[in-house]
Amino acid sequence: IAGITQAPTSQILAAGRRMTLRCTQDMRHNAMYWYRQDLGLGLRLIHYSNTAGTTGKGEVPDGYSVSRANTDDFPLTLASAVPSQTSVYFCASSDTDSSSGANVLTFGAGSRLTVL
Amino acid sequence: GQNIDQPTEMTATEGAIVQINCTYQTSGFNGLFWYQQHAGEAPTFLSYNVLDGLEEKGRFSSFLSRSKGYSYLLLKELQMKDSASYLCAVLDSNYQLIWGAGTKLIIKP
Repeated sequence: IAGITQAPTSQILAAGRRMTLRCTQDMRHNAMYWYRQDLGLGLRLIHYSNTAGTTGKGEVPDGYSVSRANTDDFPLTLASAVPSQTSVYFCASSDTDSSSGANVLTFGAGSRLTVL
Repeated sequence: GQNIDQPTEMTATEGAIVQINCTYQTSGFNGLFWYQQHAGEAPTFLSYNVLDGLEEKGRFSSFLSRSKGYSYLLLKELQMKDSASYLCAVLDSNYQLIWGAGTKLIIKP
């Protein structure tokens, strides 16, 4: 593992089913995030975690839940999927960029979810 | 409300220069980021501006004017591999990232 690993890469899901998107990082970053990306829209934050054991709601948290039992893992769960949750989901973590001093995001490769 | 505006799509020629603009209206400002995203891939960090002026990094430069709520990303000596979407994002007063929808850049030979 190098960076952030997301699974599954893609999934087709029936409406009403429960689904967990997995995210694991090996960079020991404290902060982690879940975003969704939809055509024509900017990335939207679903949930975040500033450190293990804490989570917070982002811009579009309804229908999603997260947990952060340890530093490395940050799963996203859809309790009962609906078609409007069809999207590409990106997990990210952040750390300070050494040259700019900015808090920079490192993204996973994404999970493409289709809810029928 | 908070808003980030970028052109939806731009086309440029290999070897040329292209400027991608970003205007923003946010509640406060704590920095502006540019990310590159190739089709079907994850966004990757390109640049960060927090003070007015130009930041140069190889073929890529990013400019910021806080008074005008404006930034641009300048790409020089365009290569085919620069075909990608370029995402502008602003860190607001609550340190939340507000993202633009991205500019799809198409490079033609």
